[in-house]
Amino acid sequence: QTVVTQEPSFSVSPGGTVTLTCGLTSGSVSATSYPSWYQQIPGQAPRTLIYNANIRSSGVPDRYSGSILDNKAVLTITGAQADDESDFYCVLYMGSGIWVFGAGTRVTVL
Amino acid sequence: EVQLVESGGTLVQSGGSLSLSCAASQFNFRGYSMSWIRQAPGKGLEWVSYIGSSGSPIYYADSVKGRFTLSRDNAKNSLNLQMNSLRDDDTAVYYCARRSDYYLYFDNWGPGTLVTVSS
Repeated sequence: QTVVTQEPSFSVSPGGTVTLTCGLTSGSVSATSYPSWYQQIPGQAPRTLIYNANIRSSGVPDRYSGSILDNKAVLTITGAQADDESDFYCVLYMGSGIWVFGAGTRVTVL
Repeated sequence: EVQLVESGGTLVQSGGSLSLSCAASQFNFRGYSMSWIRQAPGKGLEWVSYIGSSGSPIYYADSVKGRFTLSRDNAKNSLNLQMNSLRDDDTAVYYCARRSDYYLYFDNWGPGTLVTVSS
């Protein structure tokens, strides 16, 4: 069974840049995976950040950007701020109506 | 503003049944496909089920297939998840989410409802 991979955690300094990845244990992430990214503060519902690999959702600051690079979906936070400290999830469309989330990356800003 | 509000979450015994609902408002519900996504305590998100805008197709994660049934009532702007043969590992916050049919992503989420399955 294919698993969606994400780094468990990252630390970034305020003002720094962090790059999160979303891959597959078998195969490559492509445009037809329709990768999307969600931010979740513990205790709250997820918030949509990026869809279709690189389109920012309405109201999302431009310090968040997405792409597909080296067969993985990538979320980059440029100029990290304290309120970026949260969990980030990617989800990939596997076809046949099935979506699979990654286990999430916890980002700490310190 | 799109509103999705889940209800029905409660404490239920292992092996029991429960029905969750999602009330949708402020958008054309019959024009959108919908999904349920859950999150076990301290764990990540898990996609559970999907239903097309007209009520089909319907898809399920392997973990719930044969036990959960998803349906919708477009006249009432509501989504329903019937959960049977509940297990301890079904304990989670269950989120109702609207899915964009063009870019295949979850563009709006409800606040969630907690289901606790106890043996």
